[in-house]
Formats: sequence, structure tokens, C-alpha cells
Amino acid sequence: SQQGEEDPQALSIQEGENATMNCSYKTSINNLQWYRQNSGRGLVHLILIRSNEREKHSGRLRVTLDTSKKSSSLLITASRAADTASYFCATVTSGTYKYIFGTGTRLKVLA
Amino acid sequence: DTGVSQNPRHKITKRGQNVTFRCDPISEHNRLYWYRQTLGQGPEFLTYFQNEAQLEKSRLLSDRFSAERPKGSFSTLEIQRTEQGDSAMYLCASSAEAFFGQGTRLTVV
Repeated sequence: SQQGEEDPQALSIQEGENATMNCSYKTSINNLQWYRQNSGRGLVHLILIRSNEREKHSGRLRVTLDTSKKSSSLLITASRAADTASYFCATVTSGTYKYIFGTGTRLKVLA
Repeated sequence: DTGVSQNPRHKITKRGQNVTFRCDPISEHNRLYWYRQTLGQGPEFLTYFQNEAQLEKSRLLSDRFSAERPKGSFSTLEIQRTEQGDSAMYLCASSAEAFFGQGTRLTVV
């Protein structure tokens, strides 16, 4: 079963534009993580945000978390063609250690 | 290379055969996870270990699937009597922030 739902399912933008992806989930969580996956490859960990945090930054990435709305967003600023990939959120439900993934957003950045 | 290592990277097998995959986690990580991912979907949780103890198994893990982590280090995932529906990418990760390997792509013909 998948807890998270990413929105949109697919996103196509021009290089240099910002990309925003959203993730909604259903249960109380310990933390939420975002991953990138290039076609046919493994998942690359991007950023972790804990349930008591509201915003985190890493380079061109900005993640927000709203636990009252059970949602998170990933913003990629000044996108590059190399950012083309699928992006997944994964949540760790309170009381467990397992990561439950969403369905992913397929981002295409056009040069 | 200190990342999560999975072997083999690709496996093609005939229906009905048994296959075994291996995962070597990051050495100091005590939690190890197995996931399965089919095309266009997010990874689905299969099972995880805390050291050598298997703490949780998904209902997706039928009795044809078995995972072990005998000494709390590497882990193996075995699929018996493979079916075409088992064709997928099998991903291993180790904690604390789940770092994933490159996966083993299984094709059952």
C-alpha cells in the first residue's frame, strides 16, 4: 500500500524555471523524505524533514512540511535538464521504522 | 565504495526457477529494508530487519518470498518458483536515512 500521493503526476518545465511538487499523506509521521530516481536507477536521497520541522533547504532544494494538513512540498529552483527524473516522497509513520512511498512526480526539464 | 551494494544488477530467469538477491548495507547501519518497484510506480515495502531480526513483513511477501539477514550484516532475498508477475526492480536500503542501492532488476520469462 502507498501512503503518499504526489501531485502533479507529471510536470514539464523549461530550464531555469522553478518546479514545485506536492506530497500528501494519511497518518502521523516521524519524518518525511524526498528522493530522486533517474530512469531504471536506484533512489537518491535528497532531503529529510522531521515532524517538528517546517522547512529545510539544501542547495537549490527547499522542502516544507505542514503536519496539520499532512502535506509536504519540494521546490527545485532554477531547474536544469539534469533535474529530469522522478521524485518520490516517503514517510515514516509514528511507531514504525518503515518508509512508505508515494506514487511519484515525473519531472521533465526542457533545455 | 561505502554505499549500499546489490548483486546481481540484472537477473533473467525462467518461470518456475528460484532466484536469490544479495544486499550489502552501509556497514554501521543496523536497519535494512527490501522494496519492490514496478514500472511507473513508487517502491512498495516488502520487509525490514533490525540487526538480524526481521521485524515486519508486508502482505506482498507471499510464502514464495523469504528474506534473511543471518549475522546482521548482508541480507538475501529469495524468490521460489518465480512467476512473471515477480518481474520488477528489487531495491535494498539501509538506515537511518534510508540510503538505497541501485537495485536488482528481475525479468521472469
